[in-house]
Amino acid sequence: DVKVTQSSRYLVKRTGEKVFLECVQDMDHENMFWYRQDPGLGLRLIYFSYDVKMKEKGDIPEGYSVSREKKERFSLILESASTNQTSMYLCASSLRGGPGEQYFGPGTRLTVT
Amino acid sequence: AQSVTQPDIHITVSEGASLELRCNYSYGATPYLFWYVQSPGQGLQLLLKYFSGDTLVQGIKGFEAEFKRSQSSFNLRKPSVHWSDAAEYFCAVIGQAGTALIFGKGTTLSVSS
Repeated sequence: DVKVTQSSRYLVKRTGEKVFLECVQDMDHENMFWYRQDPGLGLRLIYFSYDVKMKEKGDIPEGYSVSREKKERFSLILESASTNQTSMYLCASSLRGGPGEQYFGPGTRLTVT
Repeated sequence: AQSVTQPDIHITVSEGASLELRCNYSYGATPYLFWYVQSPGQGLQLLLKYFSGDTLVQGIKGFEAEFKRSQSSFNLRKPSVHWSDAAEYFCAVIGQAGTALIFGKGTTLSVSS
């Protein structure tokens, strides 16, 4: 089974802190994604990566950056956390060239106070 | 641009009754379509997918979906709902770039006894 793990299920940070969310997948997938999920808004794509050191902006990249130094790991970085970044963050991975089905991690619920 | 619409924000169904969740998509070519389910506090799990061929696809947990090109729809169905089916359901289509998924805003299913 594909396994996507996220470093924390729950995280509480203060405004202005630098926050790292880590995601690891064990199926050798080329593509990895970070989504943000908010009630009534569904899932919105923040960034995705189709290869090591490659990244593409999604729909809402402002206030976020990403890092992919190894194929299995994709990090989401909040450079200076703000209260409007309080949300559920979901990581996913998929095969390159495949039909696109994505496998999701359990999510990290981030609260910024 | 591609988009996915789930017209129903919240549906309540009696246990044992049939279920249909609606999904309409906007896409220029033959779409790759997906249904995901999210239980409270969890990540997303793939229920089923459509790539090509038979327009009626079977998924896990007794769900099925029918692709209707003429109606641009991919509705999810289950003949008899169980209390454990209470969750949020997301329809998605793969984007033009062939990597990221575009999600609908989701439908929350409640099951009454």
